Amino acid sequence: DTAVSQTPKYLVTQMGNDKSIKCEQNLGHDTMYWYKQDSKKFLKIMFSYNNKELIINETVPNRFSPKSPDKAHLNLHINSLELGDSAVYFCASSQGVTGIQPQHFGDGTRLSIL
Amino acid sequence: GQNIDQPTEMTATEGAIVQINCTYQTSGFNGLFWYQQHAGEAPTFLSYNVLDGLEEKGRFSSFLSRSKGYSYLLLKELQMKDSASYLCVVSDSNYQLIWGAGTKLIIKP
Repeated sequence: DTAVSQTPKYLVTQMGNDKSIKCEQNLGHDTMYWYKQDSKKFLKIMFSYNNKELIINETVPNRFSPKSPDKAHLNLHINSLELGDSAVYFCASSQGVTGIQPQHFGDGTRLSIL
Repeated sequence: GQNIDQPTEMTATEGAIVQINCTYQTSGFNGLFWYQQHAGEAPTFLSYNVLDGLEEKGRFSSFLSRSKGYSYLLLKELQMKDSASYLCVVSDSNYQLIWGAGTKLIIKP
């Protein structure tokens, strides 16, 4: 019954490693997002996909690469992890036009870099 | 630049009423959202205002004045479970969402 699910919930890894976070939504929504929430709790959008196409790509390092195999999935791959990447990463989805429809969030992935 | 201001933290008493203010300066406006986020959890949608006025939804109400660039979230009959952060989010002229830093609401018995 989970609407937006992301895995893993916790990710602890060493600097320099490559890792992926997966996200799936079963709401039939058109648009999916990745957000980063740092220790100050400020939520920042990273990417937005509409029907598998990138529509928002905020200024993030190119070590972060989103991939959307279909409109129900949006994965996030991170290369060469750095200490500053430690944060909570949220996946979200919404129906229709970005910016006027409410977003449904996954439970978050807590990434810790050692 | 685009900016959203809301108080960092507020404290209120169980059973009381609290109003959380949000002011914004954005390039255009296509609506304002309020989200609730409990500690360690995901944000959840509370309300969306695009026209001026008050929208009531149970114990929660949200008000918007576009001419003043101002909104508030009103929480009545406060319960301990209302302790959370409340995020004000504005959709600008390009439908991009500008997120506020959130107001941490602490409810005391």
